[in-house]
This record gives sequence, structure tokens and C-alpha cells, in this order.
Amino acid sequence: EVQLVESGGGLVQPGGSLRLSCAASGFTFSSYWMHWVRQAPGKGLVWVSRIHSDGSSTTYADSVKGRFTISRDNAKNTLYLQMNSLRAEDTAVYYCTRENWGSGSSFDYWGQGTLVTVSA
Amino acid sequence: DIQMTQSPSSLSASVGDRVTITCRASQSISSYLNWYQQKPGKAPKLLIYAASRLQSGVPSGFSGSGSGTDFILTISSLHPEDFATYYCQQSYSAPRTFGQGTKVEIK
Repeated sequence: EVQLVESGGGLVQPGGSLRLSCAASGFTFSSYWMHWVRQAPGKGLVWVSRIHSDGSSTTYADSVKGRFTISRDNAKNTLYLQMNSLRAEDTAVYYCTRENWGSGSSFDYWGQGTLVTVSA
Repeated sequence: DIQMTQSPSSLSASVGDRVTITCRASQSISSYLNWYQQKPGKAPKLLIYAASRLQSGVPSGFSGSGSGTDFILTISSLHPEDFATYYCQQSYSAPRTFGQGTKVEIK
């Protein structure tokens, strides 16, 4: 069974840092592009970042470019999101998700999400 | 970036109603269009990929159509468990943009 389990969320002050993790199981993690998607309270889904299956390529939304870093450890089946210089507008539930090229590059599995709150 | 626009933003319907939600892309995305369902406090769930292909395990009452810039999600007969928010998303290029969502509420 495919599982994605996020952790690392919490309350952080503006300007602070946080590292999110996403532990993957039930599939060959190293074969899939992975993404982070976030959702501010009461708002819609916003794509944040993606990483190639081997970690060789990354892409970011303009709103987080230069502040967030996506990475992965295929030996540990874990995806990461390092978030620096956090702002109030980064407050959201962060989901990790798997891109399935065989299904039109859709996001076929999602984690349960981890809440990041940026507040003084 | 490709902009995705859904309509309506919300709708009220009754159990048994047929519901259609539209999604328009700001440029052609071929059939790289996906639909997700999200219930309060839960992660999104993939319903339809590649515009019209039903994800495994999704009831056949859901269907998708369209190509290019205009797409439709149809729920043939609303069940109580279908009341949720629905999002379209393009997987044609990065950034992988979502529509703003359509909330389907009980009339």
C-alpha cells in the first residue's frame, strides 16, 4: 500500500526556519518525481515545488523561490522541504504528493498534510 | 504560467442531481488535465486524469471531458458523499497550477 507521511510542521516565528519531511513507503520511491503542495486555511491548493526522481532537477513556485529548498534521500525513501525566511503568508497545510507519469502526470497519492503556522 | 479558471466557485445541489463543473486553461494543455476531490480536513483525492480517464476505485458516476483549453467534470447523480470541493489541475507544464476550486454544497 502506497503511503506518504509528512512531519515537521509546527509554529515558527516570522523569519524562522522549518524542515518538513515526507516518508514514503509501498512503492519504488526513487522512480517518481515528488512534489509539495500547500493550502492556506480556507483557501485553495497551491503548487510549491517538485524534484526529479534522482534529485537532479528542482523547480519552485515564484512565491518560495530562494527561500525554500526541496530535496530527497532515495536511500531513506524520504522527501524534504527546507523552509527559510518564513513569512505569515507561508502559513498552510503542506502536502507531499507523488507524480505518476503513467496517469497523465497527475498526483495520484497524497500525504495527510502537516500544518505550518508562521506567527509571532 | 498557465492559469486555470473554474466555474462556478460554488453550487448548491440536491442528492440525485446532475452536476457539471467547468475548467478553462489560459492556453492549450492538450489533455493534461486532472480533477481532484477534497473533503474538509482531508487530503485531495485524484478522481480523473488525462481529462477523461477515471482513477482506479473512483465511482463511475464521475466523468471528465474536454481537450485544449476547455474541460468539464460531470457527476451524473449526486450522492451524499459527493458534497466536497473539486479542483482541476494542469499537468502540461510547471508550475502545476490548480483552479480555485468549486464547492458543492447541499441544497
